[in-house]
Amino acid sequence: DAMVIQNPRYQVTQFGKPVTLSCSQTLNHNVMYWYQQKSSQAPKLLFHYYDKDFNNEADTPDNFQSRRPNTSFCFLDIRSPGLGDAAMYLCATSLRLAGGHLYEQYFGPGTRLTVT
Amino acid sequence: TQLLKQSPQFLSIQEGENLTVYCNSSSVFSSLQWYRQEPGEGPVLLVTVVTGGEVKKLKRLTFQFGDARKDSSLHITAAQTGDTGLYLCAGAGAGSYQLTFGKGTKLSVIP
Repeated sequence: DAMVIQNPRYQVTQFGKPVTLSCSQTLNHNVMYWYQQKSSQAPKLLFHYYDKDFNNEADTPDNFQSRRPNTSFCFLDIRSPGLGDAAMYLCATSLRLAGGHLYEQYFGPGTRLTVT
Repeated sequence: TQLLKQSPQFLSIQEGENLTVYCNSSSVFSSLQWYRQEPGEGPVLLVTVVTGGEVKKLKRLTFQFGDARKDSSLHITAAQTGDTGLYLCAGAGAGSYQLTFGKGTKLSVIP
């Protein structure tokens, strides 16, 4: 089945220790997103890629970076995690057609990040 | 900035009861999506509505998009314990990459 996969599902890191979360998709979608979600809140968009074009949200801290080496994979790098970065990180994908129409987003199962 | 106001924020009902969740905005959306999220999991897409006045049914769930495409509702008939979760509405503006999310409705269905 086509899907969005996130690894690992649970990640524990130490304060200040860099961590990388990964996302892969078999949907062949050209847009990939990273969201941060804290307990019982709506997901908050960090950034997205349209093909290789990177788009950062204005309020996303510099501590968060992303890479998309190819269509299928996207990574979230947190350079120096703080306690406030503990959250669920969600990857999502969508298909944007040449005419601009954007289809719905499909989410992965998320990675729960704990910072000790 | 487009905002989606979702209500109620919390809802606790007995199994078998009916309920309605609302999403309202002063902005027009080209489409609106409803998701359900269970604890520790990602949101799962339930439905997308795109046409003003559209009604879609998914078993016991009925979704409606307002005529002006500014609001939407989700109605659940005869709720079951398996309906428990966080329900999120999310609107897409024309040509926008972003979804505007409501704050979510946390539904608990008690046996």
